[in-house]
Amino acid sequence: KQEVTQIPAALSVPEGENLVLNCSFTDSAIYNLQWFRQDPGKGLTSLLLIQSSQREQTSGRLNASLDKSSGRSTLYIAASQPGDSATYLCAVTNFGNEKLTFGTGTRLTIIP
Amino acid sequence: GAVVSQHPSWVICKSGTSVKIECRSLDFQATTMFWYRQFPKQSLMLMATSNEGSKATYEQGVEKDKFLINHASLTLSTLTVTSAHPEDSSFYICSAAPHPRYNEQFFGPGTRLTVL
Repeated sequence: KQEVTQIPAALSVPEGENLVLNCSFTDSAIYNLQWFRQDPGKGLTSLLLIQSSQREQTSGRLNASLDKSSGRSTLYIAASQPGDSATYLCAVTNFGNEKLTFGTGTRLTIIP
Repeated sequence: GAVVSQHPSWVICKSGTSVKIECRSLDFQATTMFWYRQFPKQSLMLMATSNEGSKATYEQGVEKDKFLINHASLTLSTLTVTSAHPEDSSFYICSAAPHPRYNEQFFGPGTRLTVL
């Protein structure tokens, strides 16, 4: 059974700093991995999708990497802004299974 | 593109009543839709997978007679919480997977259900 863990559970950093969020998964036979953002009381916004054959994806100040063999992904946020404050979730899809398995989330606070 | 809506965004009801939540894919057809439940400060838990024109597949521990799911068209799935009780209060989120990209899901804004 796939299990996804995110560390740390919460993170506070001053505005302008670069930061890294971590995601690990136990079953490396994944089809893809997604990073989402969730604001309080809201739904999920997809940030980046990495296919299993890819090593990384970039969108603006965000860069996500994937190391399938070690079961890890990182989300790098450059030059953090207060608007980046949210909960970040990673989720994986395994081959032959449409279901997303979500991580526990990291609650990020950017201090102005 | 790939917009998913949910209605209502929040609902308050009395214990014992039934509540219907709609999930619509606005600009694509979704062969498969998913329903999730999220408790405060916790991650999303998959409740069921809904395929157009067939019965939903429920996750272990989810009561199918309590959480009725109907996926009558390629753009609409509904979740009905029957005989709701306070413990059913939660944030319900749906997602839709556009055909044929089954492994990429787009999420709705969620519905906050409060049962008094």
